[in-house]
Amino acid sequence: QKEVEQNSGPLSVPEGAIASLNCTYSDRGSQSFFWYRQYSGKSPELIMFIYSNGDKEDGRFTAQLNKASQYVSLLIRDSQPSDSATYLCAVNSGGYNKLIFGAGTRLAVHP
Amino acid sequence: GAVVSQHPSWVICKSGTSVKIECRSLDFQATTMFWYRQFPKQSLMLMATSNEGSKATYEQGVEKDKFLINHASLTLSTLTVTSAHPEDSSFYICSARVTSGAYEQYFGPGTRLTVT
Repeated sequence: QKEVEQNSGPLSVPEGAIASLNCTYSDRGSQSFFWYRQYSGKSPELIMFIYSNGDKEDGRFTAQLNKASQYVSLLIRDSQPSDSATYLCAVNSGGYNKLIFGAGTRLAVHP
Repeated sequence: GAVVSQHPSWVICKSGTSVKIECRSLDFQATTMFWYRQFPKQSLMLMATSNEGSKATYEQGVEKDKFLINHASLTLSTLTVTSAHPEDSSFYICSARVTSGAYEQYFGPGTRLTVT
């Protein structure tokens, strides 16, 4: 069964620190990887996607992909209290069709 | 870009009635849309995949006769919850998938359904 695993957290970091969120997946055939942010009571919001090994940076966010080790991570630099949310890792389930979501990691950034 | 809307944002209905939820991709065409359900403090649960011009594909355990999906155009998919019961009360979220690149999905704001 194809799975995406995330630590549920909460991951607590001080304001201004780097938050590191990790995700592992089981399907070696996965092609694209996504990070979504979900605030309580709201729908998920796409932060980044990555499909090549290595790092991809967008502002304070960096996604890292290692297909050999089957993990993808999200780094948030200069964390702000407004970054406090649940972060969902998602992996495409082949054929670029449905996404397989992890259960999410709750991030708490405290002042 | 990549904006998805849903209507209504919240709805209260009586047990036994039907409710229709609309999902629209506002600035791109989406041949494929997805419907999810999320209960409080739980993960997203994919209910079905909606393909324009064809029948929806339902996930295991989702009653296709209860959750009717229609994807009649490249920008609109609808979910109708028929004969709603209190246990159908949930947060229903749609997403639309772009047709190139990473084929990423963009989510609508969700519809909160309460069945009394």
